[in-house]
Amino acid sequence: QQQVKQSPQSLIVQKGGISIINCAYENTAFDYFPWYQQFPGKGPALLIAIRPDVSEKKEGRFTISFNKSAKQFSLHIMDSQPGDSATYFCAPVSSGSARQLTFGSGTQLTVLP
Amino acid sequence: EAQVTQNPRYLITVTGKKLTVTCSQNMNHEYMSWYRQDPGLGLRQIYYSMNVEVTDKGDVPEGYKVSRKEKRNFPLILESPSPNQTSLYFCASSLGQGIGELFFGEGSRLTVL
Repeated sequence: QQQVKQSPQSLIVQKGGISIINCAYENTAFDYFPWYQQFPGKGPALLIAIRPDVSEKKEGRFTISFNKSAKQFSLHIMDSQPGDSATYFCAPVSSGSARQLTFGSGTQLTVLP
Repeated sequence: EAQVTQNPRYLITVTGKKLTVTCSQNMNHEYMSWYRQDPGLGLRQIYYSMNVEVTDKGDVPEGYKVSRKEKRNFPLILESPSPNQTSLYFCASSLGQGIGELFFGEGSRLTVL
């Protein structure tokens, strides 16, 4: 079952550019929409998350945009930096479920200096 | 310091030799889970536990066992490892059902010859 579809698989951006990663989902019961960031040799760590009562959330250079009707949410990284080079995963979850999680397949972001 | 600790971090073993990967968290989290990460396949959930003595299968449970006898510990057991279980394994925990952020361990890289 492919409940979560993440794109693109890889992304190369110049320093200072905008990185955009998308996550499409099928389960309308999802009510928590996080993005995780993973550096090589490390475990994923929560970057930013949104609940469906708002359409956008911004934390520094990172923004989540949420489109409930389209069943998708996006991560925008403004003024991308080489230190942002990492793999990014979406992992929407439903608080009403038994918490079986499905992660997106991941996006490998490379920011060129 | 709040953390999820996995051991061992690296292990090379042979087919059929039982092994256990330990996972311990010091945040009094109810929810714990195991994932494997393989190139091109992202993070896939193996097992999860909502609380002590409550465990359930994730997407790829075949060949694995878990137990949750104490709240802080959630070991992953490979009774008879096979080469297709060569992977990078992550343990994660969170406060509970529907309470968003997952905290991940540093990962355990397992090679089965």
